[in-house]
Amino acid sequence: EVQLLESGGDWVQPGESQRLSCAASGFTFSDYAMAWVRQAPGKGLEWVATISGTGRASYYPGSLKGRFAISRDNSKNTLYLQMNSLRAGDTALYYCAKHRSLGNFGSWGPGVLVTVSS
Amino acid sequence: SFALAQPPSVSVAPGQTATITCGGNKIGSKSVHWYRQKPGEAPVMVVFDDTARPSGIPERISGANAANTATLTISTVDAGDEADYYCQVWDSDSDHWFFGGGTKLTVL
Repeated sequence: EVQLLESGGDWVQPGESQRLSCAASGFTFSDYAMAWVRQAPGKGLEWVATISGTGRASYYPGSLKGRFAISRDNSKNTLYLQMNSLRAGDTALYYCAKHRSLGNFGSWGPGVLVTVSS
Repeated sequence: SFALAQPPSVSVAPGQTATITCGGNKIGSKSVHWYRQKPGEAPVMVVFDDTARPSGIPERISGANAANTATLTISTVDAGDEADYYCQVWDSDSDHWFFGGGTKLTVL
């Protein structure tokens, strides 16, 4: 059974950085692209980043490129999201997701809350 | 960017059929995926590649996609189907993933 568990969520001040982690189990981690998807309070889903199984390729929406960085450690079955220069608009529940195929998100973690506020 | 338009809400009586649409320019040329999100829970994929269902998703949930509209159909609706439903596509030209705004399904 696929299991994904996010950690690292916290309350941070604007301008600060935060790193999220996602521990994966139940599948061969390096065989799958992984992603982060976020959901602001009361809002819809927003794709944040995707990384290939090898970690050699990563993708971001234009609005986040340069501030957010996705990475992975296949030896530890762990996915990361480094978030810099955080803003109030980054406040959201951040989900770790496993791509079923590159086009979609087959499994999701329970999410971790990041609150950006002074 | 690829805009996906969903109605904010759909209401249906128990036992009836709910239809949720997802509009996009030539969306029929893309694979559409659907997710169900119940309050306080993570999303769950209910349809992928327009019409396929993951294991554990009942046959009364089905998808279709043609021209400028994709559709998620839930037949014999019951209270357990109340949730937010999101459509999603991948634009392979830009390697970007897009979600619709979500539709809240209410069972009357």
